[in-house]
Amino acid sequence: DTGVSQDPRHKITKRGQNVTFRCDPISEHNRLYWYRQTLGQGPEFLTYFQNEAQLEKSRLLSDRFSAERPKGSFSTLEIQRTEQGDSAMYLCASSGSGQSYEQYFGPGTRLTVT
Amino acid sequence: GENVEQHPSTLSVQEGDSAVIKCTYSDSASNYFPWYKQELGKRPQLIIDIRSNVGEKKDQRIAVTLNKTAKHFSLHITETQPEDSAVYFCAASLPGPGGTSYGKLTFGQGTILTVHP
Repeated sequence: DTGVSQDPRHKITKRGQNVTFRCDPISEHNRLYWYRQTLGQGPEFLTYFQNEAQLEKSRLLSDRFSAERPKGSFSTLEIQRTEQGDSAMYLCASSGSGQSYEQYFGPGTRLTVT
Repeated sequence: GENVEQHPSTLSVQEGDSAVIKCTYSDSASNYFPWYKQELGKRPQLIIDIRSNVGEKKDQRIAVTLNKTAKHFSLHITETQPEDSAVYFCAASLPGPGGTSYGKLTFGQGTILTVHP
C-alpha cells in the first residue's frame, strides 16, 4: 500500500497520560499535515510541515501538543497530559510540492480519553 | 483567517436525481478548492478539486463550479447512485507560508448525502 499510513489506528488512554501518534506519508510527498476531526465536523487544521520544517501551527493548538518530522519523512504528534476534550480522530495528510498540491489523507488514529 | 460555510447540512435525493452542495468562503486570496467524500469510519477521499484560475471542472458524474466574485463554489453530482451516500466536505486553501502556493485546508461543516434506491 503506497498511501498515507497512521499508527496506531485506535488509542484508549486515561486522562493525564501522554500519547504519541505516527504518520508515514506517501513516499515522494514533502508536505505533511495534521488535522483533528470530531464527530459531525470537518477536519480542523493542527500543523503543517514542508520537509522537516514546521511551517505553520494552529493558534488553537495548546502547548500540550507537539509535532515533529525530524528527517522529513514520517511525523509524530504527541499530546501530553491528555484531557477528555482531546478525544477525536487525528488525521494525517500529505501532498507534493509545485503542481502536486492535492492532499491525501491517512486512515486516522482514533483517540479516546477516559 | 479563512472561514468556509457549507449548505445544506443534510440532503436526501432519489436515485438518478442530481445533488448540489454549496460552499462560501471568506478570504478572496483562497486559490484552491477541493471536495472530499467521507464514508462512515473511513478516511476523507479527494473526489474533485478546482483552482482559482478555473471556473468549472467536470469528472464523469461530478462537477465543481467556482464563482470568485461571489466567493462561492458548488459540487454537482448527476445521476446519483446509492453508493454516492456519504458525508461530503468542501475546503479552501490560502497560499501557504514561506511563499508556497498552497497550504492548509479549511473545511466546511459537511453535508450528509443520502441517495434512496
